[in-house]
Amino acid sequence: GESVGLHLPTLSVQEGDNSIINCAYSNSASDYFIWYKQESGKGPQFIIDIRSNMDKRQGQRVTVLLNKTVKHLSLQIAATQPGDSAVYFCADLEYGNKLVFGAGTILRVKS
Amino acid sequence: DAGVTQSPTHLIKTRGQQVTLRCSPKSGHDTVSWYQQALGQGPQFIFQYYEEEERQRGNFPDRFSGHQFPNYSSELNVNALLLGDSALYLCASSLGAGGNYGYTFGSGTRLTVV
Repeated sequence: GESVGLHLPTLSVQEGDNSIINCAYSNSASDYFIWYKQESGKGPQFIIDIRSNMDKRQGQRVTVLLNKTVKHLSLQIAATQPGDSAVYFCADLEYGNKLVFGAGTILRVKS
Repeated sequence: DAGVTQSPTHLIKTRGQQVTLRCSPKSGHDTVSWYQQALGQGPQFIFQYYEEEERQRGNFPDRFSGHQFPNYSSELNVNALLLGDSALYLCASSLGAGGNYGYTFGSGTRLTVV
């Protein structure tokens, strides 16, 4: 089936800087996207979601941007902290109940 | 309020054996989905159970089967284990099969096949 993928496998940022994690999707019918954070030894943790009728959504220190024209998602983390170090996945919800994940981006925060 | 509970946390099995993994959903959730996450990859959908029935299945062989109980807990069974079945198996629970209210993941069961 169609997949969701990421541009960068690893991202290293300095503590306090902003982080941007990118994701490309191929299913033009996708209408719901979710960002997850996965720390070592844990399951994916919901960060933020966005539906296709929006192009931007903000949470606490995080913003998701959706560009449907080029089928691209990004997750912006403001003032990145050491606790943000993890693997980040984008996923889309297909057929209403199946999450399709990308390969993930490792975020490393340098103190 | 307990989240999703999976057991066991780690398991080592030999090729050809069978394994059963267990999942208790978050309180108030009635749907359980199972995912396989190979090392360095994103989770892959195995199947989803709602109202004690398999509602949707991913691209996994029949060696992978499951069950949901009346209390909404679920089991994942894998028969005739292969080395390639080594992975982190994640359970995700939700309210309703549509996922509109979000999914909560457990910490997973790490299965190693030797």
